Amino acid sequence: DGGITQSPKYLFRKEGQNVTLSCEQNLNHDAMYWYRQDPGQGLRLIYYSQIVNDFQKGDIAEGYSVSREKKESFPLTVTSAQKNPTAFYLCASKVSWAGSSSGNTIYFGEGSWLTVV
Amino acid sequence: QKEVEQDPGPLSVPEGAIVSLNCTYSNSAFQYFMWYRQYSRKGPELLMYTYSSGNKEDGRFTAQVDKSSKYISLFIRDSQPSDSATYLCAFSGGGADGLTFGKGTHLIIQP
Repeated sequence: DGGITQSPKYLFRKEGQNVTLSCEQNLNHDAMYWYRQDPGQGLRLIYYSQIVNDFQKGDIAEGYSVSREKKESFPLTVTSAQKNPTAFYLCASKVSWAGSSSGNTIYFGEGSWLTVV
Repeated sequence: QKEVEQDPGPLSVPEGAIVSLNCTYSNSAFQYFMWYRQYSRKGPELLMYTYSSGNKEDGRFTAQVDKSSKYISLFIRDSQPSDSATYLCAFSGGGADGLTFGKGTHLIIQP
C-alpha cells in the first residue's frame, strides 16, 4: 500500500544523545516535511524539502538536522542541542511543491513519540 | 493577532447531533483550506480540501469557506462516537513551505 512510514513509533533518548527518526514514502511525492506536535501547541514546522539534496528550515529548526539524499527518504536527527525534545514528531509529504488546485494537501505518517529519560 | 484561531474545546455533544467546528484566519494569502482528523496518538488524516469560497460536501461532512470573513467551518451530521477526535484546520497560500495549522478542537461524541 502507498503511504508514509515512520519509525520507530516510540523512542527514548538519554541526555546528550543524538537520535534519528526515519521517514520513508512510496507516494512519489516531491515535497516532504517534519512537524513537531506538543499538547496545546498544534503542529509546528521543523524542516521541509522540495527536492532531493535541498531542504529549508521551518519555524523551529534549532536543535534539529535533516538530509534528503533520496526522494523517498527524509530522516530527522534530534541533536543534543535540542533542549526540550520530548514530543510527537510527524513526517508528511505533498505531491507537488508548487501551488495547484489539487496539489496542496499534505499527507501524514503515523508519527514517532520521543521521550527524554 | 494570531494567524489562525481555533477553539481547543473540548466540545461534547450527544450522538446524532450536528457538530459545527470553526476557524478564523488573518492571512489573506491563504487560498487552500483543509480539515484534518486526528485520533489519539495517531497521525492526522485529511478529511476535506477546498480552494474556494462556498460549501463542499462529502458524506456526513460539509466544509464551508467564507473568504470575505476569513472564516471556515466543518459540519458533521448524524455524529457518531467514532467521530470523537481532534479536528485541525489547515491553510496554505500555495507555496512550498507546508501548511499553517490551527491548534485543534477536541470533539467528544457521547453515546
